Amino acid sequence: KQEVTQIPAALSVPEGENLVLNCSFTDSAIYNLQWFRQDPGKGLTSLLLIQSSQREQTSGRLNASLDKSSGRSTLYIAASQPGDSATYLCAVLPNTGNQFYFGTGTSLTVIP
Amino acid sequence: GAVVSQHPSWVICKSGTSVKIECRSLDFQATTMFWYRQFPKQSLMLMATSNEGSKATYEQGVEKDKFLINHASLTLSTLTVTSAHPEDSSFYICSASDGRSHYYEQYFGPGTRLTVT
Repeated sequence: KQEVTQIPAALSVPEGENLVLNCSFTDSAIYNLQWFRQDPGKGLTSLLLIQSSQREQTSGRLNASLDKSSGRSTLYIAASQPGDSATYLCAVLPNTGNQFYFGTGTSLTVIP
Repeated sequence: GAVVSQHPSWVICKSGTSVKIECRSLDFQATTMFWYRQFPKQSLMLMATSNEGSKATYEQGVEKDKFLINHASLTLSTLTVTSAHPEDSSFYICSASDGRSHYYEQYFGPGTRLTVT
């Protein structure tokens, strides 16, 4: 069974700092990996989707990388802002089946 | 972009009653819809997967007679919590996958906060 872990569980940084969130998964046979943002009491907002054949995706200040063979993905946030404060979740879709496996999440706080 | 809506956004009900939550894909056809449950400060737990026109597939430990899922059309799936109890209080989130998309990206609804008193 696929297991997805995110480290750290919580992170607090001053505004303007660059930061990296980590996601690791146990089974490298994935179809894609998705990063989401969740604000308190809200649903999920998709940030970036990386196909298994891709190494990275970029959107604005966000850059997600994927190293399938080592079972790792990182989400890089440049020049962090207080509005980036939220919980960030990664999810992987295996090659077989259509069930997504979610990570445990990283709670990010950007201090003004 | 693809939009998924949920209704209601929050609901309070008495113990023993049933509650229905709707999940709609507004601008695409969702061949597969997923229902998740999330407890405070925890990640999402997949409850069941539903494909249009067929019975839902429930995850281990999820009571299918308690959480009734119907995916009657390509744009609507419903989750009915039957005989609700306080321990069913949670945040329920649905997502939909556009089967025509090669990338199988999931689009999430805004969630429904259920409180059972």
